[in-house]
Amino acid sequence: GEDVEQSLFLSVREGDSSVINCTYTDSSSTYLYWYKQEPGAGLQLLTYIFSNMDMKQDQRLTVLLNKKDKHLSLRIADTQTGDSAIYFCAESNGQNFVFGPGTRLSVLP
Amino acid sequence: DTGVSQDPRHKITKRGQNVTFRCDPISEHNRLYWYRQTLGQGPEFLTYFQNEAQLEKSRLLSDRFSAERPKGSFSTLEIQRTEQGDSAMYLCASSSGRGGREQFFGPGTRLTVL
Repeated sequence: GEDVEQSLFLSVREGDSSVINCTYTDSSSTYLYWYKQEPGAGLQLLTYIFSNMDMKQDQRLTVLLNKKDKHLSLRIADTQTGDSAIYFCAESNGQNFVFGPGTRLSVLP
Repeated sequence: DTGVSQDPRHKITKRGQNVTFRCDPISEHNRLYWYRQTLGQGPEFLTYFQNEAQLEKSRLLSDRFSAERPKGSFSTLEIQRTEQGDSAMYLCASSSGRGGREQFFGPGTRLTVL
Protein backbone atom coordinates (compact mmCIF):
# COMPACT_ATOMS: atom_id res chain seq x y z
CA GLY A 1 0.00 0.00 0.00
CA GLU A 2 0.91 3.64 -0.05
CA ASP A 3 3.47 4.84 2.46
CA VAL A 4 4.75 8.26 3.52
CA GLU A 5 7.96 8.62 5.52
CA GLN A 6 9.39 11.56 7.43
CA SER A 7 12.21 12.08 9.89
CA LEU A 8 10.70 12.36 13.34
CA PHE A 9 12.61 15.28 14.86
CA LEU A 10 14.25 18.53 13.79
CA SER A 11 15.80 21.26 15.92
CA VAL A 12 16.77 24.67 14.57
CA ARG A 13 17.74 28.01 16.05
CA GLU A 14 15.36 30.94 15.85
CA GLY A 15 15.99 32.91 12.67
CA ASP A 16 17.51 29.98 10.78
CA SER A 17 15.79 28.11 7.97
CA SER A 18 14.13 24.76 8.64
CA VAL A 19 13.91 22.04 6.02
CA ILE A 20 11.54 19.14 6.64
CA ASN A 21 11.77 16.21 4.25
CA CYS A 22 9.26 13.59 3.19
CA THR A 23 9.26 10.61 0.83
CA TYR A 24 6.23 8.82 -0.54
CA THR A 25 5.62 5.71 -2.59
CA ASP A 26 2.35 6.26 -4.48
CA SER A 27 3.21 7.21 -8.05
CA SER A 28 -0.43 8.14 -8.70
CA SER A 29 -0.34 10.94 -6.12
CA THR A 30 -2.03 14.00 -7.50
CA TYR A 31 -1.51 16.42 -4.64
CA LEU A 32 1.04 16.62 -1.86
CA TYR A 33 0.39 18.53 1.33
CA TRP A 34 1.98 19.96 4.41
CA TYR A 35 -0.06 20.25 7.60
CA LYS A 36 0.89 21.75 10.96
CA GLN A 37 -0.38 20.45 14.28
CA GLU A 38 0.13 22.31 17.53
CA PRO A 39 -0.36 20.60 20.89
CA GLY A 40 -4.00 19.74 21.57
CA ALA A 41 -5.15 21.17 18.24
CA GLY A 42 -6.37 19.78 14.94
CA LEU A 43 -4.38 19.79 11.74
CA GLN A 44 -3.95 23.08 9.92
CA LEU A 45 -3.34 23.00 6.19
CA LEU A 46 -0.20 25.03 5.43
CA THR A 47 0.22 24.51 1.72
CA TYR A 48 -0.10 21.95 -1.03
CA ILE A 49 1.44 21.33 -4.43
CA PHE A 50 0.06 19.70 -7.53
CA SER A 51 2.16 16.79 -8.73
CA ASN A 52 3.06 18.44 -12.04
CA MET A 53 4.73 21.35 -10.25
CA ASP A 54 8.24 21.28 -8.83
CA MET A 55 8.12 24.31 -6.57
CA LYS A 56 5.64 26.49 -4.75
CA GLN A 57 6.40 29.51 -2.59
CA ASP A 58 4.03 31.09 -0.12
CA GLN A 59 5.54 33.82 2.08
CA ARG A 60 8.05 32.07 4.38
CA LEU A 61 7.18 28.61 3.06
CA THR A 62 8.79 26.96 0.05
CA VAL A 63 7.74 23.51 -1.12
CA LEU A 64 10.00 21.52 -3.43
CA LEU A 65 8.82 18.39 -5.20
CA ASN A 66 11.07 15.86 -6.93
CA LYS A 67 8.51 13.61 -8.56
CA LYS A 68 11.11 11.24 -10.00
CA ASP A 69 12.49 10.50 -6.53
CA LYS A 70 9.08 10.91 -4.82
CA HIS A 71 10.65 13.42 -2.45
CA LEU A 72 8.90 16.45 -0.99
CA SER A 73 10.39 19.12 1.24
CA LEU A 74 9.12 22.10 3.19
CA ARG A 75 11.46 24.99 3.86
CA ILE A 76 10.49 27.54 6.50
CA ALA A 77 12.52 30.71 6.24
CA ASP A 78 13.37 32.78 9.34
CA THR A 79 11.97 30.14 11.68
CA GLN A 80 10.21 31.55 14.75
CA THR A 81 9.33 30.00 18.10
CA GLY A 82 5.70 29.99 16.98
CA ASP A 83 6.68 27.54 14.25
CA SER A 84 7.36 24.86 16.89
CA ALA A 85 4.85 22.11 16.11
CA ILE A 86 4.50 18.76 14.37
CA TYR A 87 4.52 18.93 10.59
CA PHE A 88 2.77 16.24 8.60
CA CYS A 89 3.39 15.42 4.98
CA ALA A 90 0.44 13.85 3.13
CA GLU A 91 -0.26 12.62 -0.35
CA SER A 92 -3.55 12.18 -2.15
CA ASN A 93 -4.70 10.64 -5.39
CA GLY A 94 -7.79 12.86 -5.21
CA GLN A 95 -9.74 10.47 -3.01
CA ASN A 96 -7.63 8.93 -0.25
CA PHE A 97 -5.21 10.87 1.87
CA VAL A 98 -2.14 9.15 3.36
CA PHE A 99 -0.21 10.93 6.09
CA GLY A 100 3.35 10.54 7.29
CA PRO A 101 4.20 10.10 10.99
CA GLY A 102 5.01 13.78 11.44
CA THR A 103 8.22 15.72 12.11
CA ARG A 104 8.43 17.46 15.45
CA LEU A 105 10.10 20.84 14.88
CA SER A 106 11.71 22.45 17.91
CA VAL A 107 12.84 26.06 17.59
CA LEU A 108 15.58 27.01 20.02
CA PRO A 109 16.01 30.63 21.13
CA ASP B 1 -17.37 29.88 13.09
CA THR B 2 -17.73 28.14 9.75
CA GLY B 3 -15.01 25.51 10.27
CA VAL B 4 -15.40 21.78 10.87
CA SER B 5 -16.80 21.04 14.30
CA GLN B 6 -16.78 17.82 16.28
CA ASP B 7 -18.69 16.75 19.35
CA PRO B 8 -17.80 15.78 21.99
CA ARG B 9 -14.22 16.97 22.29
CA HIS B 10 -13.44 14.37 24.92
CA LYS B 11 -15.08 11.05 25.77
CA ILE B 12 -14.12 8.64 28.54
CA THR B 13 -15.87 5.30 28.52
CA LYS B 14 -15.55 1.85 29.99
CA ARG B 15 -14.52 -1.11 27.89
CA GLY B 16 -17.51 -2.74 26.27
CA GLN B 17 -19.61 0.40 26.03
CA ASN B 18 -20.80 1.97 22.76
CA VAL B 19 -19.82 5.52 21.83
CA THR B 20 -20.96 7.86 19.07
CA PHE B 21 -19.17 10.92 17.74
CA ARG B 22 -20.56 13.66 15.55
CA CYS B 23 -18.91 15.76 12.87
CA ASP B 24 -20.35 18.85 11.21
CA PRO B 25 -18.38 19.69 8.08
CA ILE B 26 -17.97 23.06 6.44
CA SER B 27 -21.30 23.78 4.81
CA GLU B 28 -21.45 22.87 1.13
CA HIS B 29 -18.45 20.58 1.43
CA ASN B 30 -19.65 17.35 -0.08
CA ARG B 31 -16.73 15.18 1.00
CA LEU B 32 -16.30 14.12 4.61
CA TYR B 33 -13.49 12.01 6.03
CA TRP B 34 -12.87 10.21 9.31
CA TYR B 35 -9.37 9.53 10.59
CA ARG B 36 -7.88 8.04 13.73
CA GLN B 37 -4.71 9.44 15.25
CA THR B 38 -2.74 7.78 18.02
CA LEU B 39 0.06 9.40 19.98
CA GLY B 40 3.15 9.99 17.89
CA GLN B 41 1.49 8.98 14.64
CA GLY B 42 -0.06 10.73 11.70
CA PRO B 43 -3.78 10.46 11.00
CA GLU B 44 -4.86 7.07 9.64
CA PHE B 45 -7.69 7.08 7.13
CA LEU B 46 -10.85 5.28 8.27
CA THR B 47 -13.57 6.15 5.77
CA TYR B 48 -14.96 8.86 3.55
CA PHE B 49 -18.28 10.04 2.18
CA GLN B 50 -19.22 11.90 -0.91
CA ASN B 51 -22.56 13.41 -0.03
CA GLU B 52 -24.45 10.59 1.73
CA ALA B 53 -22.58 7.76 -0.03
CA GLN B 54 -19.81 6.00 1.87
CA LEU B 55 -17.28 5.45 -0.91
CA GLU B 56 -14.33 3.87 0.83
CA LYS B 57 -13.56 2.13 4.09
CA SER B 58 -10.13 1.27 5.45
CA ARG B 59 -9.22 -2.20 6.67
CA LEU B 60 -8.78 -0.45 10.04
CA LEU B 61 -12.55 -0.05 10.22
CA SER B 62 -13.58 -3.28 11.92
CA ASP B 63 -17.15 -4.53 12.17
CA ARG B 64 -17.46 -2.67 15.47
CA PHE B 65 -17.14 0.66 13.67
CA SER B 66 -19.91 2.21 11.62
CA ALA B 67 -20.21 5.63 10.06
CA GLU B 68 -23.20 7.35 8.56
CA ARG B 69 -23.97 10.58 6.79
CA PRO B 70 -27.70 10.25 6.27
CA LYS B 71 -28.50 13.61 4.68
CA GLY B 72 -25.12 14.40 3.22
CA SER B 73 -24.40 17.00 5.89
CA PHE B 74 -23.26 15.93 9.37
CA SER B 75 -21.79 12.50 10.01
CA THR B 76 -21.67 10.14 12.97
CA LEU B 77 -19.05 7.54 13.82
CA GLU B 78 -20.15 4.81 16.21
CA ILE B 79 -17.86 2.34 17.94
CA GLN B 80 -19.58 -0.64 19.51
CA ARG B 81 -18.15 -2.74 22.35
CA THR B 82 -15.19 -0.40 22.77
CA GLU B 83 -11.76 -1.86 23.51
CA GLN B 84 -8.75 -0.20 25.11
CA GLY B 85 -7.04 -0.22 21.73
CA ASP B 86 -9.74 2.12 20.43
CA SER B 87 -8.32 4.93 22.60
CA ALA B 88 -7.20 7.60 20.15
CA MET B 89 -8.06 10.98 18.69
CA TYR B 90 -10.79 10.70 16.07
CA LEU B 91 -10.50 13.41 13.46
CA CYS B 92 -13.03 14.55 10.93
CA ALA B 93 -12.20 16.54 7.82
CA SER B 94 -14.16 17.93 4.91
CA SER B 95 -13.40 19.11 1.42
CA SER B 96 -15.24 20.38 -1.61
CA GLY B 97 -15.85 17.98 -4.44
CA ARG B 98 -13.68 19.60 -7.08
CA GLY B 99 -10.66 17.33 -6.68
CA GLY B 100 -10.89 17.68 -2.90
CA ARG B 101 -7.60 19.52 -2.93
CA GLU B 102 -7.97 21.33 0.35
CA GLN B 103 -9.02 19.22 3.29
CA PHE B 104 -10.00 21.03 6.46
CA PHE B 105 -9.83 19.29 9.81
CA GLY B 106 -11.93 19.59 12.92
CA PRO B 107 -10.42 19.73 16.42
CA GLY B 108 -10.97 16.01 16.99
CA THR B 109 -12.67 13.87 19.62
CA ARG B 110 -10.28 12.29 22.11
CA LEU B 111 -11.56 8.87 23.19
CA THR B 112 -10.22 7.17 26.30
CA VAL B 113 -11.36 3.61 26.95
CA LEU B 114 -10.76 2.46 30.53
